[in-house]
Amino acid sequence: DVVLTQTPSILSATIGQSVSISCRSSQSLLDSDGNTYLYWFLQRPGQSPQRLIYLVSNLGSGVPNRFSGSGSGTDFTLKISGVEAEDLGVYYCMQATHAPNTFGAGTKLELK
Amino acid sequence: QVQLQQSGAELAKPGSSVKISCKASGYTFTSYYISWIKQTTGQGLEYIGYINTGSGGTNYNEKFKGKATLTVDKSSSTAFMQLSSLTPDDSAVYYCAREGYGGDYFDYWGQGVMVTVSS
Repeated sequence: DVVLTQTPSILSATIGQSVSISCRSSQSLLDSDGNTYLYWFLQRPGQSPQRLIYLVSNLGSGVPNRFSGSGSGTDFTLKISGVEAEDLGVYYCMQATHAPNTFGAGTKLELK
Repeated sequence: QVQLQQSGAELAKPGSSVKISCKASGYTFTSYYISWIKQTTGQGLEYIGYINTGSGGTNYNEKFKGKATLTVDKSSSTAFMQLSSLTPDDSAVYYCAREGYGGDYFDYWGQGVMVTVSS
């Protein structure tokens, strides 16, 4: 199975600070159909995961544009440009290029 | 609005089975697959598999073959997952999520069902 390594595991930030989370894959996530099936989710305490980004850089419906995704191949990044209090929780990356889909271990974003 | 409403928490004994549901509303049920995901503190998020809600065809993560069985009732827009031969390792929160086409995956999730396996 594809292993996704997220760093850091814990991220402390102040409100308004810009932060980035890395997701590195053990294999290229570029599919033969030309798509790269890399996703980002946020799970707030006590809630279900919420999709933020799909196909590396596409913003999900209703997701604030302070979130952005980038990367290619094996290296991907989620950036939050100006953390807000509602952004606190655990962020996960997920790949769906290689069966089975796999998730990273998560990055906990907390207030400094 | 799109909603995936899952059934309530389950307490089950080792060796038994449970069947949890995921009722969809607010969209055309058969236009999207339903996927199932397991979440534990120790193993994180694990993908179980998906069901084609139109044809009933399924695809399982090898790890969950023989453990999970996915079915669907189109008449009630409900997907089901049965977990069999339960052990304490099956204790987890189980989510359903909508899976579209062309990479538009997991845009909506159910609220999750906590399954506890204990004697």
